[in-house]
Amino acid sequence: DAGVIQSPRHEVTEMGQEVTLRCKPISGHNSLFWYRQTMMRGLELLIYFNNNVPIDDSGMPEDRFSAKMPNASFSTLKIQPSEPRDSAVYFCASSLVLTSGHTDTQYFGPGTRLTVL
Amino acid sequence: DQQVKQNSPSLSVQEGRISILNCDYTNSMFDYFLWYKKYPAEGPTFLISISSIKDKNEDGRFTVFLNKSAKHLSLHIVPSQPGDSAVYFCAASLLNTNAGKSTFGDGTTLTVKP
Repeated sequence: DAGVIQSPRHEVTEMGQEVTLRCKPISGHNSLFWYRQTMMRGLELLIYFNNNVPIDDSGMPEDRFSAKMPNASFSTLKIQPSEPRDSAVYFCASSLVLTSGHTDTQYFGPGTRLTVL
Repeated sequence: DQQVKQNSPSLSVQEGRISILNCDYTNSMFDYFLWYKKYPAEGPTFLISISSIKDKNEDGRFTVFLNKSAKHLSLHIVPSQPGDSAVYFCAASLLNTNAGKSTFGDGTTLTVKP
């Protein structure tokens, strides 16, 4: 199993540009999470999906951030327009939630390091 | 309001000694707790977990203790090895709700000196 795949691994862009981060969860997993890690705020949950449906986006910092999950094997996190304060490592994670409600642990991707100049 | 707190940003121990990482939570409804380990340039990986019906779970050199009355859990690593040097995140969940969502602490950076 390839694990959670994220692309790109590194992104450097200029303020005002659109940034799209991509994630392929582990096959068979039905929950997907987007996190942001910074020195100041630790590991923040931005949004998560269950069965491709957004469940909670209360962690999304602003309207500049949006996330989609068009199918079970792909999700995107978009920032438009990007700002220097968006510079961080963005992680995607997936897990399997059973119909009983019991959840497996989360499996994280390697992250995308975003730098906005 | 931060529901999961790791008050020590860093910890340094000598190889062979015990490492104790602490975590406090505020939401008494949490019923499942996890520890993740993160190396530089990698995503966090699951280490060990404990259900609220237990007060201890052991896996090799790693033991997690849960004190529900104090809303406190700790991770013990015995003996510590240089390869254990990493950032450790504590996380808390509500089983059977929230589609597997976990709330994470800020992490503690463990350094094990040879």
